[in-house]
Amino acid sequence: GQNIDQPTEMTATEGAIVQINCTYQTSGFNGLFWYQQHAGEAPTFLSYNVLDGLEEKGRFSSFLSRSKGYSYLLLKELQMKDSASYLCVVMDSNYQLIWGAGTKLIIKP
Amino acid sequence: TAGITQAPTSQILAAGRSMTLRCTQDMRHNAMYWYRQDLGLGLRLIHYSNTAGTTGKGEVPDGYSVSRANTDDFPLTLASAVPSQTSVYFCASSERAENTGELFFGEGSRLTVL
Repeated sequence: GQNIDQPTEMTATEGAIVQINCTYQTSGFNGLFWYQQHAGEAPTFLSYNVLDGLEEKGRFSSFLSRSKGYSYLLLKELQMKDSASYLCVVMDSNYQLIWGAGTKLIIKP
Repeated sequence: TAGITQAPTSQILAAGRSMTLRCTQDMRHNAMYWYRQDLGLGLRLIHYSNTAGTTGKGEVPDGYSVSRANTDDFPLTLASAVPSQTSVYFCASSERAENTGELFFGEGSRLTVL
């Protein structure tokens, strides 16, 4: 079966750095997305990786290793507004999206 | 910019009643989707439409139906609601069907079936 694993919850301090890991086992691979979802709101797109390596976008970076079935989302200079759930999503060989359950990130002052 | 509009925002429904969740997009996207989100689970695809006039079944289609009469509208109907359909429903769209790229989501419809 297809599976995406990410931690259920993480806590970090304002101003610090946090890394949210995601491992996946899917039928083929056509890319990996990260979405941010604030409580009670819709998911919003953060990043897309299809090749190995690091993609940087401001305070957020996303890394992919296809051989290891592994990705992480790195958030720097954490702000209180970064408190949200972060969803790891893999597109399989049939272009179907497989969604992880999400990691709830709690930022403390 | 409206993007995707869903209605209603929330609804309490008696079991056995029917309900239609409305979804409208103004981005002229070809593909549209309905997902449900339940605690502890990833988003699950209910139905999708790759283009106006076509629909397909997702991972959890039972008890739901959709139509895509035009590009902008993609309503989701529950013919006879059951308590297990209590969930938050998200409508989404993408420019293209395959290799979708970024999905754009509506604000969600919270449905409680009693």
